[in-house]
Amino acid sequence: SQQGEEDPQALSIQEGENATMNCSYKTSINNLQWYRQNSGRGLVHLILIRSNEREKHSGRLRVTLDTSKKSSSLLITASRAADTASYFCVASGGSYIPTFGRGTSLIVHP
Amino acid sequence: GAVVSQHPSRVICKSGTSVKIECRSLDFQATTMFWYRQFPKQSLMLMATSNEGSKATYEQGVEKDKFLINHASLTLSTLTVTSAHPEDSSFYICSARDTGGSYEQYFGPGTRLTVT
Repeated sequence: SQQGEEDPQALSIQEGENATMNCSYKTSINNLQWYRQNSGRGLVHLILIRSNEREKHSGRLRVTLDTSKKSSSLLITASRAADTASYFCVASGGSYIPTFGRGTSLIVHP
Repeated sequence: GAVVSQHPSRVICKSGTSVKIECRSLDFQATTMFWYRQFPKQSLMLMATSNEGSKATYEQGVEKDKFLINHASLTLSTLTVTSAHPEDSSFYICSARDTGGSYEQYFGPGTRLTVT
């Protein structure tokens, strides 16, 4: 199975600062996705980056993918208190079954 | 982009009753769907792989008679929690693989089950 493992497990920052979280996976992938989950709520799809892409932007989000290092990063710029949530990466490809890591718990203090 | 929906988003049921959760791929075909479960403050754990037209494959430790999975069409898989107990209270999430095209996989928003 493919596993996304997020780092750090917890991140606490002040509103307005940037937040960076990383993800590592084990084998070749077709794409990697980032999801957000607010406490007690469902998954919200943030962004998908394909294996032939190196960087992707969506609003205040910037995702990079380094297939040689089997890693990805999610950058949230100018963070807001509403960004407080857990963030998960999911790597998938071919017939592999994506599995989740523990996620990064982000707290943005107002 | 591709969308996976789940219904209901929240359900409360009494102990001993059964609950059915639906997972639909809205704009792509998915011969393979997956069901995950999330306990509070923990990651999502794969429960089973649902295959259209055949039996589901369950992960070790998941009771197949407890969690019935039916994948009767290319866009719909259902998970039925039978004779639910309070310990079945959890967050259930499905995902669907676009087997008709990109082979990319998308996740539904999840269903929160509370058994009283």
